[in-house]
Parts: sequence; C-alpha cells; structure tokens
Amino acid sequence: GAGVSQSPSNKVTEKGKDVELRCDPISGHTALYWYRQSLGQGLEFLIYFQGNSAPDKSGLPSDRFSAERTGGSVSTLTIQRTQQEDSAVYLCASSVGAGYGYTFGSGTRLTVV
Amino acid sequence: AQSVTQPDIHITVSEGASLELRCNYSYGATPYLFWYVQSPGQGLQLLLKYFSGDTLVQGIKGFEAEFKRSQSSFNLRKPSVHWSDAAEYFCAVGGSSNTGKLIFGQGTTLQVKP
Repeated sequence: GAGVSQSPSNKVTEKGKDVELRCDPISGHTALYWYRQSLGQGLEFLIYFQGNSAPDKSGLPSDRFSAERTGGSVSTLTIQRTQQEDSAVYLCASSVGAGYGYTFGSGTRLTVV
Repeated sequence: AQSVTQPDIHITVSEGASLELRCNYSYGATPYLFWYVQSPGQGLQLLLKYFSGDTLVQGIKGFEAEFKRSQSSFNLRKPSVHWSDAAEYFCAVGGSSNTGKLIFGQGTTLQVKP
C-alpha cells in the first residue's frame, strides 16, 4: 500500500480482556517494528520483524505481549489480560532495511478501563 | 549503552524566529541519525536523516541538522519558524550493524507564539 496502515485507530477495552492490534506495512518493506508511546513519553521499542521472523523481541514488556507476522506482510500485536498500564499509543513502522529510517503508521490508541 | 538525550522538553519561540532543537546521542558504532516530527493526533514523519558524508543535511519543511561527531550531537535548526511547525520533535539513532532498531529521545515539544 501507499503507507503503513494500522487498525483499529482507537480501542477501548476492559481490564483483563485480550486485544489484537493490526499493522499493514508498505509493500516490499521487509523490516517491521512495533513501538509503544505512553503519555508524555518517548517511543519504547517492542519488537522487530525481518520477514516473518522476529530476531529482536527484547522490548516486549511481559509474556502477556506477543506478535506475529505472516506472509512477510501483515503483523498482529496481541496483548493478553490487559492492564491499565498497557494504555498507550501503539505505533507500527516499516522499512526497506537498516539505516533507511522508518515510515510510521498513525498508531492505535489503546485505553484500558 | 545506546541512548539519545533531548535536553529541552518544551521550547517556545515566536513565529519568524530561528529555532534550534538539541540532540545528543551515545552510540558505540558509526551512527545513523534521524529527526522525526509528530503533529497532534498524527503519526511520526521523517524530517531528515544522516548516514555519512556531508555533516549538514537538509530535510523537508525547511529544516536542517548538523552532525558533530566530536560533540555527539545532531541538532535540528530552522531559520524562520512558522505556526504550523508547532509539534513534537524526536531525535533517533541507529546503525547499519544492527537490526535497524532506532533508539528515540524523549521528544521536544515546540510551541510557536504568534
């Protein structure tokens, strides 16, 4: 596609529920990244995909967080048993490779009530 | 450890005045450096990037940045600020030897006074 697409743009969920966030990267971008941006904070790295594999998942905060990527394209970030501290904007970005910079999606704003 | 520091959390400038946003980094190898801008409710947009070569790089919207290796800095500048430049600005560092993962600073919020 023309840009990185994320859905939903907003998600309100009850504490303890599971949520899935979707990212559709730019066609041909092999690298895909998930970041989290909490209120007043910078961007916190979560996970990196190269193709369908995730060589760096060092930023996932806990085992409640997981992500997958299929077909070298769409990625899904899943948060199980959501907690209030999970409330944040989750940003997805894709790139043609290291050093080229990212193209970001508009993010999914997650609110856990 | 790899890190990025943006010393100014909030800056206010008058429209038409010059702007400099500071960025200092710590990185063990040759860095790739980036500036991104995030307007309210929007995603992040790449303003400019430095890979190698000329240490003064030009970006979009009239912005430029200068890489100073001796000072580990990559400050962003604009000669004359417009009201539409009000946004949050993020500096980031990465390298070719890793996964392409970028380390971001905490951001600087720019307010423009009429």
